[in-house]
Amino acid sequence: EDQVTQSPEALRLQEGESSSLNCSYTVSGLRGLFWYRQDPGKGPEFLFTLYSAGEEKEKERLKATLTKKESFLHITAPKPEDSATYLCAVSWGGSQGNLIFGKGTKLSVKP
Amino acid sequence: NAGVMQNPRHLVRRRGQEARLRCSPMKGHSHVYWYRQLPEEGLKFMVYLQKENIIDESGMPKERFSAEFPKEGPSILRIQQVVRGDSAAYFCASSPQFAGTLHGYTFGSGTRLTVV
Repeated sequence: EDQVTQSPEALRLQEGESSSLNCSYTVSGLRGLFWYRQDPGKGPEFLFTLYSAGEEKEKERLKATLTKKESFLHITAPKPEDSATYLCAVSWGGSQGNLIFGKGTKLSVKP
Repeated sequence: NAGVMQNPRHLVRRRGQEARLRCSPMKGHSHVYWYRQLPEEGLKFMVYLQKENIIDESGMPKERFSAEFPKEGPSILRIQQVVRGDSAAYFCASSPQFAGTLHGYTFGSGTRLTVV
């Protein structure tokens, strides 16, 4: 069964304490892996798309990487405003535009 | 350029009533997707539409749920005879083309449906 698993479910960091979030996937024919940020009461906000193993994307304190089985979202020197739920999603060869989402990692960054 | 607009933001319905959720995609986007987010669950795909066409409705419950995206006007997700289990956040997203190939979706802020 195609699925996306994110870990940890929740992560508490001190401001400046770098860490990584994991997204592992099992789909046939990955087309793209997407990272989103979701704040409470809001819709997901697009961050990155990764298409092939070895690819990396960066935006401010965030860096996303992709292997054949998983993706990591690295957060360097996080700030309290980085607190949010981070969602991972994949599209695959058989999809017509729908994405499979993981349940997310809830990140809290304390000052 | 306004983003994806969803309304209402909050909707309360009694069991057995109908709920209508509206979604206006971003300007220039012709593809609309509906997702449902239950408490403590991930986003679940419901339906993918283009103007006047349903492309993929594999995530839609077989009964009571329907969706449309007319030539003019917003996309509508309709839930008939709502039950408590329908309480969730419903998100609409849009893209200029098949999202799986190039672009991530742009999501709206969602409609939070509460069934009492």
